[in-house]
Amino acid sequence: ETGVTQSPTHLIKTRGQQVTLRCSSQSGHNTVSWYQQALGQGPQFIFQYYREEENGRGNFPPRFSGLQFPNYSSELNVNALELDDSALYLCASSLKPPSGANVLTFGAGSRLTVL
Amino acid sequence: EDQVTQSPEALRLQEGESSSLNCSYTVSGLRGLFWYRQDPGKGPEFLFTLYSAGEEKEKERLKATLTKKESFLHITAPKPEDSATYLCAVQVTIQGAQKLVFGQGTRLTINP
Repeated sequence: ETGVTQSPTHLIKTRGQQVTLRCSSQSGHNTVSWYQQALGQGPQFIFQYYREEENGRGNFPPRFSGLQFPNYSSELNVNALELDDSALYLCASSLKPPSGANVLTFGAGSRLTVL
Repeated sequence: EDQVTQSPEALRLQEGESSSLNCSYTVSGLRGLFWYRQDPGKGPEFLFTLYSAGEEKEKERLKATLTKKESFLHITAPKPEDSATYLCAVQVTIQGAQKLVFGQGTRLTINP
């Protein structure tokens, strides 16, 4: 059973640029969630994708967008990068619909630095 | 507003010295409380899910407990390899999605 894989692992961008982060979900999982983790903080929910549609979003502006593909892999796109976007971006997959609480399996993350 | 607070922020113990980490939460409609472990430069690794007050779960040197307002992660006779950041999270529903609301974590260091 393969876990969640993310790419790239590290990247550096300058303010105003755009970035795309990629995620392959764990085998058998059909739902992907994205989280942002600033240094020293807990992860914060960005949004979730199920059946190739966004079905829930946290307090993030529209310049954060995503896609889910038929094979359940996903992309996170961030436009007009700001310095505060520097963080570890975590992808997590799960199986929906859950009966009760469902366990998220996280990838190792993509570390984004905005200069 | 759903909120999770963990204490202490950092904890340094000697090998074999038992202790507890606290997670207090305020949430409307708890669907589950999660404990994750996160090593530097890695994603969170699932440890436990607790669903209702009074529930307990154990794994090796770790035991998680849950009340109506807080959860504890008890660490018995820890080893240096238990050093990590421990994250607590509650699961809530938003616009049809199930999201985790995390605390800021407790950074645990076990000295040999």
